[in-house]
Amino acid sequence: DSGVTQTPKHLITATGQRVTLRCSPRSGDLSVYWYQQSLDQGLQFLIHYYNGEERAKGNILERFSAQQFPDLHSELNLSSLELGDSALYFCASTQGTSGYTFGSGTRLTVV
Amino acid sequence: AQSVTQLGSHVSVSEGALVLLRCNYSSSVPPYLFWYVQYPNQGLQLLLKYTTGATLVKGINGFEAEFKKSETSFHLTKPSAHMSDAAEYFCAVSDHRSGYSTLTFGKGTMLLVSP
Repeated sequence: DSGVTQTPKHLITATGQRVTLRCSPRSGDLSVYWYQQSLDQGLQFLIHYYNGEERAKGNILERFSAQQFPDLHSELNLSSLELGDSALYFCASTQGTSGYTFGSGTRLTVV
Repeated sequence: AQSVTQLGSHVSVSEGALVLLRCNYSSSVPPYLFWYVQYPNQGLQLLLKYTTGATLVKGINGFEAEFKKSETSFHLTKPSAHMSDAAEYFCAVSDHRSGYSTLTFGKGTMLLVSP
């Protein structure tokens, strides 16, 4: 157990739908990062939150959004889902700049 | 912009043989470099990292990597492969100028270990 908890582990949904992925960081970590892992794009940085505030955006689609709550857990919202959004979504947390701790991911399948 | 190139999407070795996974990076600032391992249906686990100081870094499970600035490389090695080392390995470079750490990953190298 890495200490970073992601739920759900698996999600199957239809095109056009909206889903929410949840991440609880390691105790004491203020930063949460979201990544998407797909066969064609590899691991792509989506967004970074620090202590409730958005700090950096990567290749995140406008249909996707995220937030970090006062208790530091984070949610990634994916809407108007397309087949191409099927991927593994990871969150990671860290205290500084010397490496993340990753969660075990949410596997999203859009049918 | 930063980038990472991992040479070889698949590397096959025999058990007991040397493991060498190649990683070259591009960075406009002194890099922080990382190797992660991903086992099937699991998240990524940090193997080792280079931030500053000694250029030869040792990680978990007998792996080590050497930062070579002149070659912009950070190759991962292990003297003797075990069957349990079969997994996908990712090299990453960090943009830490802001005080935060956004990682750019390579495409990954699948390590196959045969008996």
